[in-house]
Amino acid sequence: DIVMTQSPDSLAVSLGERATINCKSSQSVFYSSYNKNSLAWYQQKPGQPPKLLIQWASTRQSGVPDRFTGSGSGTDFSLTISSLQAEDVAVYYCQQYYIAPPTFGQGTKVEIK
Amino acid sequence: EVQLVQSGGGLVQPGGSLRLSCTASGLTFRNHWMNWVRQAPGKGLEWVAYIKQDGVERNYVDSVKGRFTISRDNAENSLYLQMDGLRAEDTAVYYCATNWPLDYWGQGTLVTVSS
Repeated sequence: DIVMTQSPDSLAVSLGERATINCKSSQSVFYSSYNKNSLAWYQQKPGQPPKLLIQWASTRQSGVPDRFTGSGSGTDFSLTISSLQAEDVAVYYCQQYYIAPPTFGQGTKVEIK
Repeated sequence: EVQLVQSGGGLVQPGGSLRLSCTASGLTFRNHWMNWVRQAPGKGLEWVAYIKQDGVERNYVDSVKGRFTISRDNAENSLYLQMDGLRAEDTAVYYCATNWPLDYWGQGTLVTVSS
């Protein structure tokens, strides 16, 4: 199975400041047939199901604010929130969907400093 | 608007059985992969199983193979998870979700395995 490792486990950022979450996969998730990386980011707020933010490592879902940016390729990825808002407080997960079983990182909790 | 409405869940004794359901609306159900994902209390997300559009191809996480069965009824726009031989470590909120990546999610249902 592909192991997904996120860092840090938690971070506290001031409102309006940048937050960056890293995600590393134990093997490449680059899908050559699509020329894309099979990497997604989810946001989960307390008591709610996860919400898909980004797929193919950098493609934002419709309605996701442009302060959320995904980047990276191969085995190293990141999610950046350019200007943290109060409503961004949540746990964020990366997930590879390159090969079964699709596996998640352990999650990164983002809080307001 | 896509909606996945879950039912089932509850408290069951170790070794017992439970069936979860997920009914979809707002999408052409038969065109979509379907998944079950779970989240133990205070823990992260774990994919459990998927079933492809025609219901033939299915796959499971190793820890539930031989105990859980995913199925679907495209005529009823419904997804199911039959859980047998339940263990304490199966205690979690179970979510149904569409496709890879998981773009639409149900509201979740809590399964508690305890004596």
